Order: sequence, then C-alpha cells, then structure tokens
Amino acid sequence: GENVEQHPSTLSVQEGDSAVIKCTYSDSASNYFPWYKQELGKRPQLIIDIRSNVGEKKDQRIAVTLNKTAKHFSLHITETQPEDSAVYFCAPRGYSGGGADGLTFGKGTHLIIQP
Amino acid sequence: ETGVTQSPTHLIKTRGQQVTLRCSSQSGHNTVSWYQQALGQGPQFIFQYYREEENGRGNFPPRFSGLQFPNYSSELNVNALELDDSALYLCASSLKGPNTGELFFGEGSRLTVL
Repeated sequence: GENVEQHPSTLSVQEGDSAVIKCTYSDSASNYFPWYKQELGKRPQLIIDIRSNVGEKKDQRIAVTLNKTAKHFSLHITETQPEDSAVYFCAPRGYSGGGADGLTFGKGTHLIIQP
Repeated sequence: ETGVTQSPTHLIKTRGQQVTLRCSSQSGHNTVSWYQQALGQGPQFIFQYYREEENGRGNFPPRFSGLQFPNYSSELNVNALELDDSALYLCASSLKGPNTGELFFGEGSRLTVL
C-alpha cells in the first residue's frame, strides 16, 4: 500500500506571506495527486490536483508542483489570507490494479494565518 | 445540482451494537466511497462501490460492509462496534473513469461508541 507523509504538521505564517506544504509518497505507480482543504467541522474539499504527466499547475494563489522521480509533491499558497486557515491533506492515488480509486490521505497540515 | 448528503449527522452507540449510515451521492455520480476520519487524522479509505458492487477496499475488517443501490445511494454497515470505531464517517461520490479524480464529500456522520 501507499505510505504518505506530510510536512510540516503545523504551519503558522503571517497574513500575506507564502506557505508551502510537502507530501512524500511511496508508490511509484501513483498517477493522481490532489490536495484537499478541510475547515473546522466541515467536509474536505478539493482545492487543486495534478496528474503524473504534468510538473506544475497553478490556480490563482494556489499551485501544486510534482517531482515524480523523488516521489513528492507540494502545495504552494501565495498572499495568504485569513480564510486560508484550515487543515490541508495530500491524497495521492496509487494503482491498486483492481480499479479502486481509493485515496491515501496524509495526516494533514494545520495552516494558521496570523493577522 | 444536489450535493452529497449523509444521515444521521450524529449518533451514539454502545460496544457490540450495529450501525447503518446512509449516503445520497451527488447528482450524476455513479461511484461512492466511504472514509473513516478519526479525530486529528486524515480520512482512511474503507471501500468503494460502483455498479452496486464493491470495487475496492482498504484495510478494514469484514464487519465493515456496504451496499450501493440502483439510484447510486449507499449504506455503510458496521457490526460488533468497538470503541475505536468512534470517528467521523465520510461518504464521497465521484464519476468512474480514467480521467476523473475529484471526490465530492458529504458533511459526514459522527459516530460515538461508548
């Protein structure tokens, strides 16, 4: 099975600064790399994803970069705002061979935006 | 477009009891996955249903079982409840296919086992 590690577990940044969260995975056959955001008491929601044939993807203040050789991908948030405060999960999808699309979530990074 | 809905939102059970959680998938989605999220942890994949059959399973014992109905709604059943089963149970719907990926989660059912 896939082993997933996220770093850091907690990240505190000043409003307006950038935040970077890194995710490492073990399954070299993984082909889909999403990031989910979960606000306190709410459902996880996809914020950005990337597939294995692309190295970087950007959506306004959010970007994801993928290094398949090193088996890690990172979430970048620029110009952070108070509403960015949440727990962020990476969830690479390995290839089970059985057709399942189960995601393996990391333990999460608690991002705190300081005013 | 109707989102993913789950019921009940909260429930309390005692050890050894059985529980059934329900999920209505997002309109147009044919695949349902269930995840268990313990406090302070990331969601863990329980299983996925597609075309009313279990299509993949995570590392959960057989006392975790499920159903998917022709309208794509789903149930998660847990028998012989244990204290460690206390968690938020999330249902997620998606479209089956090689280029689909996004999971749309419900708000979850919070289960407390005493």
